[in-house]
Amino acid sequence: QKEVEQDPGPLSVPEGAIVSLNCTYSNSAFQYFMWYRQYSRKGPELLMYTYSSGNKEDGRFTAQVDKSSKYISLFIRDSQPSDSATYLCAMIGSWGKLQFGAGTQVVVTP
Amino acid sequence: DVKVTQSSRYLVKRTGEKVFLECVQDMDHENMFWYRQDPGLGLRLIYFSYDVKMKEKGDIPEGYSVSREKKERFSLILESASTNQTSMYLCASSSARDTYQETQYFGPGTRLLVL
Repeated sequence: QKEVEQDPGPLSVPEGAIVSLNCTYSNSAFQYFMWYRQYSRKGPELLMYTYSSGNKEDGRFTAQVDKSSKYISLFIRDSQPSDSATYLCAMIGSWGKLQFGAGTQVVVTP
Repeated sequence: DVKVTQSSRYLVKRTGEKVFLECVQDMDHENMFWYRQDPGLGLRLIYFSYDVKMKEKGDIPEGYSVSREKKERFSLILESASTNQTSMYLCASSSARDTYQETQYFGPGTRLLVL
């Protein structure tokens, strides 16, 4: 069983809709949670970083962490075609190595 | 702006060849990483380095080696390339001095095809 599970998609939504992405994890030692965005033929870039359970907002993006359920989410409001990308969750424990989900491909159609 | 560059975007090699992938970062970061990315598997850590001449095995080091002779440069070596090493290879760096030191900055990737 993978330590981090993420549905690969693709997830197709119309422009303006809310995109909802999530990951589950099995290791309760994970403390830091990140979302990376990866455009086609590019490397991943950090989108959101959270530490504690709860919500964190940054513009149209909201990251949510529920440590009790071992579940993290990313919401994109008012989605745009430029949001079409693969979104990877990542998490890190005390040992200092990032564990990535497989990534979810998102397609926002005009 | 952090810049991580990789020597090649696309590479085609033959089975048994020795392959060098180069990565350079310009932000004086202490930490550097090599990952491979495959569909459905996400990013898997091959090797990482916290300092010059220092290396640590990641989750899938078999068939790979690394070299870090200078702080800004981290090389991944495939001693004898095999077809199952066909993949996208991503280099990343991070700073131990950042508040969020786990924030890794990625290069554009090298897509390697081994025939």
